Parts: sequence; structure tokens; C-alpha cells
Amino acid sequence: GAVVSQHPSRVICKSGTSVKIECRSLDFQATTMFWYRQFPKKSLMLMATSNEGSKATYEQGVEKDKFLINHASLTLSTLTVTSAHPEDSSFYICSAPGGQGRSNQPQHFGDGTRLSIL
Amino acid sequence: SQQGEEDPQALSIQEGENATMNCSYKTSINNLQWYRQNSGRGLVHLILIRSNEREKHSGRLRVTLDTSKKSSSLLITASRAADTASYFCATARGETSGSRLTFGEGTQLTVNP
Repeated sequence: GAVVSQHPSRVICKSGTSVKIECRSLDFQATTMFWYRQFPKKSLMLMATSNEGSKATYEQGVEKDKFLINHASLTLSTLTVTSAHPEDSSFYICSAPGGQGRSNQPQHFGDGTRLSIL
Repeated sequence: SQQGEEDPQALSIQEGENATMNCSYKTSINNLQWYRQNSGRGLVHLILIRSNEREKHSGRLRVTLDTSKKSSSLLITASRAADTASYFCATARGETSGSRLTFGEGTQLTVNP
């Protein structure tokens, strides 16, 4: 079945560091991918929609200069947390729609990245 | 912002019992999906029910959808300790799979052996 690979699974780094998270669709193409943030024991909050060949669409309140998204190819989207600070510590998850755009298909999620900023 | 609400927020049952989780939403939808999340992991798709469907089964899972009440329920029968996880409903307003999902707050299910 469709698989989404997210890397790295865990990052611990110092304040001020920029961190890049990769999301790859392994056996299918994804013109759209989604990036979510999840706080402990909370639901997923959509941060942005990554679009291949065009700019990402950010949700209200999400700083585009802070969270840089690049949809480099039909199988890869990256999220870069620039100059990360402790308040950026969170669980970040990506997803890619299945079914090649057909209707009523689920999304496929990566395993998430636990980001801890010291 | 999240539009969905789920209840209960937490549910603890014994192995073999059934678990029922409910989800409510506020806008019209094209489909509603249920996902499972093990602690510290990504989400796994369980079942998708379209807006014109009322009930759907998959193994030990049964999902109902009542669009007039804007609500859905997920029933897990004969629960197992391995069913312990968080369960989220998510609604899609658009038809294509590229439509964004809006997630409910989730139910933390604990199945005690």
C-alpha cells in the first residue's frame, strides 16, 4: 500500500538552529502534501499545504518565514523550522493524499518528527 | 481551528468489551474518516465513510454517519489490549483526496488486559 516516509524521527538541537524535516511518498506521486503540528495529548493542527510547483498555502497564524516549505518534486516535501526556539518544540507530521486525486480516498501519514529545542 | 469534537476524551475498558467513540462536526462534508494513532507515531487510516452512506464495517470496526445531526460514531467490538491508542475523526469538505482534513480532538482509548 501507499507509504509516506518522514525523516528524521527525532531531533534534539540548540536554540537558534534550523531544522529540516523531509516527507517522501515512497510508491506514489503527491502534488499536494500537508504539514501538521501536534501538541501532547492534543489533536493535529494543520500548518500548511505544500504544493508541487507553486508556493505553499499557510494556515492563519502560521509564520511562513518561520516554517519554510519546499515541495521539491512529486515525491518530496520539506519543512524547515528556521532559527528554532524552545516554543517550536512539538511533534510534526506530514501526510500525502492517496488515490492520485480520486475522490474519497484517505490520506497517508508519515510517522512524525519529535522536535526538541533546548 | 478544529471543528470536530469527540467524546469521550478518554475511555478505559476491559479486553473483550466494546468501545464506542463519537464525533460531531459543524459544516457540510464530503466524507468523514477515522484514524488511529499509537503514542508518538503517525496516523493510520481505519475507515472512510461518504456523506451518502449511513454505516460501514471493516473487521471489528463499525462506523455510522448521521449527516442530519452532523455526527459519527466508531464502534470497536471485542476490544483487545492492542487497540489501545488515540482515535481521531476527520472531515473532508472537498471531493478529491487532496482536500484538507479537519480533525476532531480525539479519544484516548485504553484497553486493559
